[in-house]
Amino acid sequence: DAGVIQSPRHEVTEMGQEVTLRCKPISGHNSLFWYRQTMMRGLELLIYFNNNVPIDDSGMPEDRFSAKMPNASFSTLKIQPSEPRDSAVYFCASSLEYKGARAFFGQGTRLTVV
Amino acid sequence: DQQVKQNSPSLSVQEGRISILNCDYTNSMFDYFLWYKKYPAEGPTFLISISSIKDKNEDGRFTVFLNKSAKHLSLHIVPSQPGDSAVYFCAASPIIQGAQKLVFGQGTRLTINP
Repeated sequence: DAGVIQSPRHEVTEMGQEVTLRCKPISGHNSLFWYRQTMMRGLELLIYFNNNVPIDDSGMPEDRFSAKMPNASFSTLKIQPSEPRDSAVYFCASSLEYKGARAFFGQGTRLTVV
Repeated sequence: DQQVKQNSPSLSVQEGRISILNCDYTNSMFDYFLWYKKYPAEGPTFLISISSIKDKNEDGRFTVFLNKSAKHLSLHIVPSQPGDSAVYFCAASPIIQGAQKLVFGQGTRLTINP
């Protein structure tokens, strides 16, 4: 298995532009997570899906952030409009749903908003 | 409100010596604890875990200790090797919720000096 696949690996965009990050979870995993890593706050959970349904989006910082999971093998995180303070590394992770399950992370997308 | 705290942003250890990384938590509902390791430009990878029914779990050079009364856990690496240089994240959740409620600390950057 190729693991969790994220694209793009790096994204540089101008303030105000729309940014879309993509994720393909591990086949068979039914939970998907979007995390953001910053120096100040470490790894923060933004949103997670279970069986393609958003379960908890309380970590989404603002309405500018939205996430979708149209099917079991694809998810997007969109920021519209982007701002410089959104610059961070965004990770997607997936897991099976069982007691004590661990999350498997993708390589991340480094987003820079200028 | 940081439920999982790693108070040391960085740690430098001589090769061959013991590395001790510390983590504190505040939420009494947490009963499952994990350590993840992260290399630059890669996603976090699972290292070792422990549930609250144990106070120690060992895997090769890595041992995690849990002190429930103090709400404290630590990761010991013996002996430390240059390849252990990475950022280490502590994470916690209620075990029944698997990976769905993982809360991460800010991370500790470990540098092993030759």
